[in-house]
Amino acid sequence: AQSVSQHNHHVILSEAASLELGCNYSYGGTVNLFWYVQYPGQHLQLLLKYFSGDPLVKGIKGFEAEFIKSKFSFNLRKPSVQWSDTAEYFCAVSPGGGGNKLTFGTGTQLKVEL
Amino acid sequence: DSGVTQTPKHLITATGQRVTLRCSPRSGDLSVYWYQQSLDQGLQFLIQYYNGEERAKGNILERFSAQQFPDLHSELNLSSLELGDSALYFCASSPAVRDTQYFGPGTRLTVL
Repeated sequence: AQSVSQHNHHVILSEAASLELGCNYSYGGTVNLFWYVQYPGQHLQLLLKYFSGDPLVKGIKGFEAEFIKSKFSFNLRKPSVQWSDTAEYFCAVSPGGGGNKLTFGTGTQLKVEL
Repeated sequence: DSGVTQTPKHLITATGQRVTLRCSPRSGDLSVYWYQQSLDQGLQFLIQYYNGEERAKGNILERFSAQQFPDLHSELNLSSLELGDSALYFCASSPAVRDTQYFGPGTRLTVL
């Protein structure tokens, strides 16, 4: 069975600081990887995804993530955060070979202070 | 706005009752998924339908059932409700079986 670990549960940053949120997964085969964001009171929105190809993936709003297969990791990064990035971030994985069940991490609550 | 709609937005009911949550997928999407988000369990996959047929099952209780209709909308039925069923229930849709999922706004269920 797949599992996803997000090590940082709460992160507080000042505006313009750099962000890196950790995500590690456990699965024996190929995987599809996702980062979703949930702004306060809103639904989950896709930030970026990795299916195959270039392991450095660029998403919306200046976010990027790097798939490191040897480390089973898919960390999310942003060079300079804004107050509007305050939200909860979820890493998710689905089997690459078949099915589409998403397994989510527990989420990281990011607060960006002015 | 993802294009996925869910009704109702909020639902308050009592233990032992039965409720139905409704989801309309994005135009053209054939696959519908249901997820439950609670404080103690996080985001958990419940069930997936593709073009009217059940495709995958996750941690869905026997008291819960779902279906996808010919017009592709889906309903999640929750019966014999317990306090612990209080959660946000999200629906997601995708064009096919293995595509990116787009989430609806959710239905917040409160069981008193």
